[in-house]
Amino acid sequence: AQSVSQHNHHVILSEAASLELGCNYSYGGTVNLFWYVQYPGQHLQLLLKYFSGDPLVKGIKGFEAEFIKSKFSFNLRKPSVQWSDTAEYFCAVNLPYRSSSASKIIFGSGTRLSIRP
Amino acid sequence: SQTIHQWPATLVQPVGSPLSLECTVEGTSNPNLYWYRQAAGRGLQLLFYSVGIGQISSEVPQNLSASRPQDRQFILSSKKLLLSDSGFYLCAWSEPYQGASKNIQYFGAGTRLSVL
Repeated sequence: AQSVSQHNHHVILSEAASLELGCNYSYGGTVNLFWYVQYPGQHLQLLLKYFSGDPLVKGIKGFEAEFIKSKFSFNLRKPSVQWSDTAEYFCAVNLPYRSSSASKIIFGSGTRLSIRP
Repeated sequence: SQTIHQWPATLVQPVGSPLSLECTVEGTSNPNLYWYRQAAGRGLQLLFYSVGIGQISSEVPQNLSASRPQDRQFILSSKKLLLSDSGFYLCAWSEPYQGASKNIQYFGAGTRLSVL
């Protein structure tokens, strides 16, 4: 069965540290990849997405992610985190689906990021 | 611009009571609609999705049901709640006919349900 794995459940960093959150998926076909973020008390929102083209994608707030097809990975990175990056981060994979106009997004279990000021 | 509303924000219900959570979308037509449950440490699990009025697809067998009585209204229901139904429920929408693999979903604020 298709799945998305986020191996880090809780990451604690100090401000200005570099961040990398791992995401691996299991599906051999064409996929679209997403990172969603949920700040405390706020909606789940899209951070960045990969559909095709350059495998290094830039998102909001200085985040980027790299799609490595051979490793089935889509890791999220940020060179220097801020206290305001404290949130829960979800990796997601969009698979082709049996319906003609709706498709299935599979989410990872999430990584809680805590930034120490 | 498009907006999505979910209510109530929090709900405490006794075991065996009925449930009705509502989600409405504004600013778009014929959206795809989704219900997810977010359990602590377990990510988001897709419960139902709908591509049109009266069209509901269920992803997992469970105690819940969904209905879409109007184009931009999606309702999650139960006749008798179980303790295991406690969780955080999220509604989401996406544009129609984007193609099966370009589906950006936009989420509501969620409903935290506690079944006691």
